[in-house]
Amino acid sequence: EIVMTQSPATLSVSPGERAILSCRASQSVSSNLVWYQQKPGQAPRLLIYGASTRATGIPARFSGSGSGTEFTLTISSLQSEDFAVYYCQHCHNWPLNFGGGTKVEIK
Amino acid sequence: EVQLVESGGGLVQPGGSLRLSCVVSGFTFSSYWMSWVRQSPGKGLEWVANIKPDGGEEYYVDSVRGRFTISRDNARNSLFLQMGSLSPEDTAVYYCARDIVVVPAAHYFDYWGQGALVTVSS
Repeated sequence: EIVMTQSPATLSVSPGERAILSCRASQSVSSNLVWYQQKPGQAPRLLIYGASTRATGIPARFSGSGSGTEFTLTISSLQSEDFAVYYCQHCHNWPLNFGGGTKVEIK
Repeated sequence: EVQLVESGGGLVQPGGSLRLSCVVSGFTFSSYWMSWVRQSPGKGLEWVANIKPDGGEEYYVDSVRGRFTISRDNARNSLFLQMGSLSPEDTAVYYCARDIVVVPAAHYFDYWGQGALVTVSS
């Protein structure tokens, strides 16, 4: 079973600043990594798939990078609507595991 | 517009059973793998189960295997999760989600329902 670890658990950022979120896999998942955004009371929303491809309608300020075991989600200039919890998920084999999430909060 | 709408959540006693439903619209349901994903209160996400488009294959997370059964009715664009031997640890919001298959056993989720809350408590 592949374990996903996200860091930090909470990230305090001012609007307009850049946020960098990390996700680590316990073994290589190649580029089979996705990122979701979840706001309170809402379902998760797909942001990035294939480690670096933005999903339909996702703004260009969101970018993903990495392969193997180390991945990064970067939000280049945080907008008010970006404050949320972000989850990574590997899609390499069963079971499909998620990371514990990183909460991006207003500094 | 793609829509997934769950129903059937509620309060159930430990050891009890519950059946969740998810009705979808806006895409060809019979062409997609579908999943259930849950989220315990204040916690992260956990994939629970998924099912092949024709219903011929199912996969489960270890913690629910043998207690939960996923099924589908393609004629009615509906996905189901039959849950049995429920414990307080199964308390969560249960989401149905559409799978995107990268390669066999490599799935992620591009559309999600709004979720159904299941509370297991005496």
